[in-house]
Amino acid sequence: GAGVSQSPSNKVTEKGKDVELRCDPISGHTALYWYRQSLGQGLEFLIYFQGNSAPDKSGLPSDRFSAERTGGSVSTLTIQRTQQEDSAVYLCASSRDRWTQPQHFGDGTRLSIL
Amino acid sequence: QKEVEQDPGPLSVPEGAIVSLNCTYSNSAFQYFMWYRQYSRKGPELLMYTYSSGNKEDGRFTAQVDKSSKYISLFIRDSQPSDSATYLCAIAGTALIFGKGTTLSVSS
Repeated sequence: GAGVSQSPSNKVTEKGKDVELRCDPISGHTALYWYRQSLGQGLEFLIYFQGNSAPDKSGLPSDRFSAERTGGSVSTLTIQRTQQEDSAVYLCASSRDRWTQPQHFGDGTRLSIL
Repeated sequence: QKEVEQDPGPLSVPEGAIVSLNCTYSNSAFQYFMWYRQYSRKGPELLMYTYSSGNKEDGRFTAQVDKSSKYISLFIRDSQPSDSATYLCAIAGTALIFGKGTTLSVSS
């Protein structure tokens, strides 16, 4: 399909392990965003990419979280030394250009830390 | 005061009812207004996008923006069980701020 694709859809891992989450945005969308959604909570912004640059990474909760984007397309969110409080759904979105263009979301990666 | 406030519900209505979902916001610089629908275990899906005061209609859905009151609404006419989902408002200026969502249940 032509939508935002995220993988894996589910990830269960042990506390202390590293995880990588992948996002394939809609083709041609230069802006890409990562969010976190916890049960009963709203969408928590993590990081924004314009092309391969991240002009806003203010939402990353700690230095255990990092993200990169290559070729202006695929992005990877990495969480090192996972903690139980990292358990959440991680959502990726992309938009055509500006911050204010409508964002289109993938179905997320459901991360569970044991 | 939070930048975007949305009543979490839950809201339960019978099939065929008119549903009104609302958000208020605090920053008058916000210019773009969106409504998303999120089904369980799915990502948010864009329903409506507008940048002006007034009404925008799409099928059974009407988005209403009142910039003077900093108040936006989503109306759903002839609600269906398939409308049961969480509805998120999103408001943008120099950043996109989401409401926490209202959970809607439509019973047949």
